[in-house]
Amino acid sequence: EPEVTQTPSHQVTQMGQEVILRCVPISNHLYFYWYRQILGQKVEFLVSFYNNEISEKSEIFDDQFSVERPDGSNFTLKIRSTKLEDSAMYFCASRSARASANTGELFFGEGSRLTVL
Amino acid sequence: KQEVTQIPAALSVPEGENLVLNCSFTDSAIYNLQWFRQDPGKGLTSLLLIQSSQREQTSGRLNASLDKSSGRSTLYIAASQPGDSATYLCAVSGNQGGKLIFGQGTELSVKP
Repeated sequence: EPEVTQTPSHQVTQMGQEVILRCVPISNHLYFYWYRQILGQKVEFLVSFYNNEISEKSEIFDDQFSVERPDGSNFTLKIRSTKLEDSAMYFCASRSARASANTGELFFGEGSRLTVL
Repeated sequence: KQEVTQIPAALSVPEGENLVLNCSFTDSAIYNLQWFRQDPGKGLTSLLLIQSSQREQTSGRLNASLDKSSGRSTLYIAASQPGDSATYLCAVSGNQGGKLIFGQGTELSVKP
């Protein structure tokens, strides 16, 4: 069964370092998303991406964050200068373009745990 | 601003019981509602999606209902099993972009 895959599963980094989290969405999907979950808190929306551009972003998604689809299969989230409060589980999700938002189901990856020291 | 609340926060039941998890949302103008399962330290597994025009959806022992006007959804699990132990998340989509707003989840423990 097709699935969303994410790498790395866990990354530990020093504060101020750049981090890139990678996602391979389901192959015929065209809507992509990043969410995050700080330990013990709700899953929060970060950004949605369609047709090679950001379609919506939250207040969390400031200038330190960027997304890219560099090669038509990978979808990446970059954090330029990590802070302690960026420590969280980051989830990638994708959705088929053939379904409207009224029926479209989001499929999530297993997540990348980011620990900032 | 849409807020999603799930009650109870945690639930412990003996194996074999039928149970109901509750989800409420403040803005009834939703496009769809999705229930997910999350095992500790793992990703989100989609269980059921209910479109805004639907009243319920069923998959195996799971049944989800939606009452849009009152801002409520329930997830009914029949004949619970220890393998059902996980956190169950409810999320609503409020626009055509598919962005989801999540509740905080109900942590379910099914004792053998």
